[in-house]
Amino acid sequence: DAKTTQPNSMESNEEEPVHLPCNHSTISGTDYIHWYRQLPSQGPEYVIHGLTSNVNNRMASLAIAEDRKSSTLILHRATLRDAAVYYCILKGGGSEKLVFGKGTKLTVNP
Amino acid sequence: DAGVIQSPRHEVTEMGQEVTLRCKPISGHNSLFWYRQTMMRGLELLIYFNNNVPIDDSGMPEDRFSAKMPNASFSTLKIQPSEPRDSAVYFCASSLGGPGRGDIQYFGAGTRLSVL
Repeated sequence: DAKTTQPNSMESNEEEPVHLPCNHSTISGTDYIHWYRQLPSQGPEYVIHGLTSNVNNRMASLAIAEDRKSSTLILHRATLRDAAVYYCILKGGGSEKLVFGKGTKLTVNP
Repeated sequence: DAGVIQSPRHEVTEMGQEVTLRCKPISGHNSLFWYRQTMMRGLELLIYFNNNVPIDDSGMPEDRFSAKMPNASFSTLKIQPSEPRDSAVYFCASSLGGPGRGDIQYFGAGTRLSVL
């Protein structure tokens, strides 16, 4: 499984934008970039995914580098409810498996 | 839909006892996944099913663990005999399934297992 690298932790202030980086230099052409998050004492929750183009949904935006070797999850206005561990995962187009790394623990300060 | 439903939410048992965890996937979903989460090892995929058939059980730690999916709406993960090192949170997830698609997995709330 292709590997991703994320910072262990990040901090943000409430109502400010947050940019969560992910490096995936060994990504293959058929790998989707998925982001999940896990709030305290809950199961993981899907956030967003993309292949080549930038993606937006009601939760976040995903900016994918032109060479696809890195991506950034953007939370436009962080709230206290966004405090969670965020996982960046490469999912092969021919596979259903998600391989979770350690993720980035996001702390949101009031 | 109520989402993925797991039971029990908490289980405390003694070493050597049999433990059965249950999962009801989202109706219409064809793939079901069992994960285990510990502080030391993080979130690990144990096994997954597609159309009730086990596809990949390479994450199942040893013969003490077994999983079944007798029908599209129910799956069990059984540990027999249980050991203290099995203490973890076990998550079940389901998805529409099928390779070649960027499918989303929906997770249940988890079962917190403590083996004393």
